[in-house]
Amino acid sequence: ILNVEQSPQSLHVQEGDSTNFTCSFPSSNFYALHWYRWETAKSPEALFVMTLNGDEKKKGRISATLNTKEGYSYLYIKGSQPEDSATYLCAFANAGGTSYGKLTFGQGTILTVHP
Amino acid sequence: NAGVTQTPKFQVLKTGQSMTLQCAQDMNHNSMYWYRQDPGMGLRLIYYSASEGTTDKGEVPNGYNVSRLNKREFSLRLESAAPSQTSVYFCASSEHRGWSYEQYFGPGTRLTVT
Repeated sequence: ILNVEQSPQSLHVQEGDSTNFTCSFPSSNFYALHWYRWETAKSPEALFVMTLNGDEKKKGRISATLNTKEGYSYLYIKGSQPEDSATYLCAFANAGGTSYGKLTFGQGTILTVHP
Repeated sequence: NAGVTQTPKFQVLKTGQSMTLQCAQDMNHNSMYWYRQDPGMGLRLIYYSASEGTTDKGEVPNGYNVSRLNKREFSLRLESAAPSQTSVYFCASSEHRGWSYEQYFGPGTRLTVT
């Protein structure tokens, strides 16, 4: 079983604060790292799919970086807004054997942005 | 486009009963997945189908069976429900099996087994 860890488990910030959280994954047999945003009472929605070491992706105020050699990815939110409140999930894709085609999800970071 | 749809939204079963969760996607995706989500745990893959006519076990397949009826539909069957199968079930699809393809999720089915 692959170990994908996210930290912190939960985070409370004030509107306007910038924040970041971490996804750690095995550094061997890396293929891809996904980030999803999951709002309450909705379904997870893809933010980024990252495949190359050093990748940086950006969507509006949200950006992500990837370090496959050391096995971590950071998600940054600049100037948090209440509508950013959600659970942020990362998912790791492993290139080896029977794992082909499957994603292993972390437990998520719950972000609450207070007005 | 409706995206990924799931039925039912809610279901209560007694231990030992059987039921089928239905999933359909209208995006012409090749790959489809079934996950369960439990408190304190990430999404865990139950089964997936890389393409029409193929299925494969995920992390937690015991107690479940699946059918890829056609390219659009992927159903999950509980033959004899157990309280441990109380969970929220999500169906997802992606364009291809490759890991670089993002997954699109349905709205979920909340299942309670008493």
